[in-house]
Amino acid sequence: EPEVTQTPSHQVTQMGQEVILRCVPISNHLYFYWYRQILGQKVEFLVSFYNNEISEKSEIFDDQFSVERPDGSNFTLKIRSTKLEDSAMYFCASRAGWGLANYGYTFGSGTRLTVV
Amino acid sequence: AQTVTQSQPEMSVQEAETVTLSCTYDTSESDYYLFWYKQPPSRQMILVIRQEAYKQQNATENRFSVNFQKAAKSFSLKISDSQLGDAAMYFCAYRSASSGGGADGLTFGKGTHLIIQP
Repeated sequence: EPEVTQTPSHQVTQMGQEVILRCVPISNHLYFYWYRQILGQKVEFLVSFYNNEISEKSEIFDDQFSVERPDGSNFTLKIRSTKLEDSAMYFCASRAGWGLANYGYTFGSGTRLTVV
Repeated sequence: AQTVTQSQPEMSVQEAETVTLSCTYDTSESDYYLFWYKQPPSRQMILVIRQEAYKQQNATENRFSVNFQKAAKSFSLKISDSQLGDAAMYFCAYRSASSGGGADGLTFGKGTHLIIQP
């Protein structure tokens, strides 16, 4: 079964450093997402991306965050200057298109980001 | 804005028994999608079941079924014949069906930790 692949699985970074989290969505999917889950809390929507542009972003997704699909296969989340409170599990997800059959958002296994 | 409420932080069930996890949501929309996701200790999010709001028939996937009550804005998950592998966090999620306008992300509840007693 097709998978969404995220790398790395765990990243430790110094506060103030830039990090890039990488995702390879399922190849024929059209919509891409990033979600965040702070330990012990609920999963929160960050941003959605379609047709090479952001289609929606939450209040969490401020100027420190950016997304890119540089080569048609990778989908990246960049945090410019990390803060301690950015420590969380970051999930990438993708889905094929419209209709219930295509509303199977497929999630990756997540990247655990630890800011020290 | 839509909200999703899971009022049971933790539930426990004996293996082979049936358990129901509750979920309520608040929305002014008439068409939307509802989901249950399972998050085992590996922390991957796995889709368990999904329901489209305009369909009255409750979705079923093997041992998993839902009780969708649109008027009450309730979307409970029933797990029959519970197995040890069902132990996980279960998240209820909502997604607007409106196109455009950016209403594209899933809104999750806080989750229910399901414990399976052998």
